[in-house]
Amino acid sequence: DQQVKQNSPSLSVQEGRISILNCDYTNSMFDYFLWYKKYPAEGPTFLISISSIKDKNEDGRFTVFLNKSAKHLSLHIVPSQPGDSAVYFCAASVHGGGKRGADGLTFGKGTHLIIQP
Amino acid sequence: DGGITQSPKYLFRKEGQNVTLSCEQNLNHDAMYWYRQDPGQGLRLIYYSQIVNDFQKGDIAEGYSVSREKKESFPLTVTSAQKNPTAFYLCASIQGRGYGYTFGSGTRLTVV
Repeated sequence: DQQVKQNSPSLSVQEGRISILNCDYTNSMFDYFLWYKKYPAEGPTFLISISSIKDKNEDGRFTVFLNKSAKHLSLHIVPSQPGDSAVYFCAASVHGGGKRGADGLTFGKGTHLIIQP
Repeated sequence: DGGITQSPKYLFRKEGQNVTLSCEQNLNHDAMYWYRQDPGQGLRLIYYSQIVNDFQKGDIAEGYSVSREKKESFPLTVTSAQKNPTAFYLCASIQGRGYGYTFGSGTRLTVV
């Protein structure tokens, strides 16, 4: 049972435009959400997070939106740059950790973002 | 600089062999995790440890074993019982909920 879903395996966006990456979740106990960026043969790096008490969090070119009623979050990158080409993972955690222990994360399968010149 | 070090970066294993992947952190984090990444599968949790001398199975623990004798170290052994061990393995640790995971750079294991 996939609790965190990223339904687009890949996304192609022109340089300078907005990239929107989507993530849906099914576990209503999730209360903390994160986005990670991963280049090939490297470990993921933390991008931005949001708590369930908020509906938006912004950090430079990156903004995460959370719609709790729809169990949906999205990552907006504006403007998109060539260095943004990578795989982006959505992740979520349950307060107290549940089966994954305190702070343990459940990951989506990732979306490969390709920024075209 | 603080961080997580995984070694080796590339590892080749013969059929029937056990191999151990190293993960060391100098971040003073209590919790550590092992994930496996396969193409199109995302990150799947193998084992995690929240404290020294304690660890728990994740979603795909069969064929793997771990130990946590020191706070800094969380080695993963891929045993011969793991039927499809070829994958990219990631180790992570966490400071607390507001900070997310810190990941190592990964180990690519290939069965030859």
